[in-house]
Amino acid sequence: AQTVTQSQPEMSVQEAETVTLSCTYDTSESDYYLFWYKQPPSRQMILVIRQEAYKQQNATENRFSVNFQKAAKSFSLKISDSQLGDAAMYFCAYRSYAGGTSYGKLTFGQGTILTVHP
Amino acid sequence: DTAVSQTPKYLVTQMGNDKSIKCEQNLGHDTMYWYKQDSKKFLKIMFSYNNKELIINETVPNRFSPKSPDKAHLNLHINSLELGDSAVYFCASSQGGSGVLFGQGTRLTVV
Repeated sequence: AQTVTQSQPEMSVQEAETVTLSCTYDTSESDYYLFWYKQPPSRQMILVIRQEAYKQQNATENRFSVNFQKAAKSFSLKISDSQLGDAAMYFCAYRSYAGGTSYGKLTFGQGTILTVHP
Repeated sequence: DTAVSQTPKYLVTQMGNDKSIKCEQNLGHDTMYWYKQDSKKFLKIMFSYNNKELIINETVPNRFSPKSPDKAHLNLHINSLELGDSAVYFCASSQGGSGVLFGQGTRLTVV
């Protein structure tokens, strides 16, 4: 079974600065997807970024980018130019590539609470 | 133009009652899910349906019964509610390898 670990329960950053959230995972699969989700106090789960394991290029979405290290099974999220609205809980998640009894299932890490200071 | 919508957003009920949470997606996705977020914010899958067929049932008590009348709807019925069922329940959907998109969540409180 796959596991996802977020070792930072809490992180903080000054507005306009950069912060990196860590995530490691364990799997025996070679093809899979990785995601970062944001959960603000409104509790809505918002998809931030998606990475396909077979792609070497790191995904980027505006101020959000990832550092995907497949061999190290590491998937960190970098938030540049942090804004007050980035304050939320961030979850790293793993998903098998396709098919089988785990079809579509997301396995989540424990979450990291990000505080943004003005 | 809400993509995944679930109702109600809040549900407060007494132990022993039966309740349902409804979910609908207008994205044309083939796969729908129910996830549970506990008091420590940990998220775990409960059920997954693909084209109305149950694919995943993650050792959830049989008091929880999902029903998918069509691929756009996945409802969750809970019998004989217990205090430990208090949590936030999320409906979600996906298509192929796309990101899983979540509804707004239903906060269930059992008193």
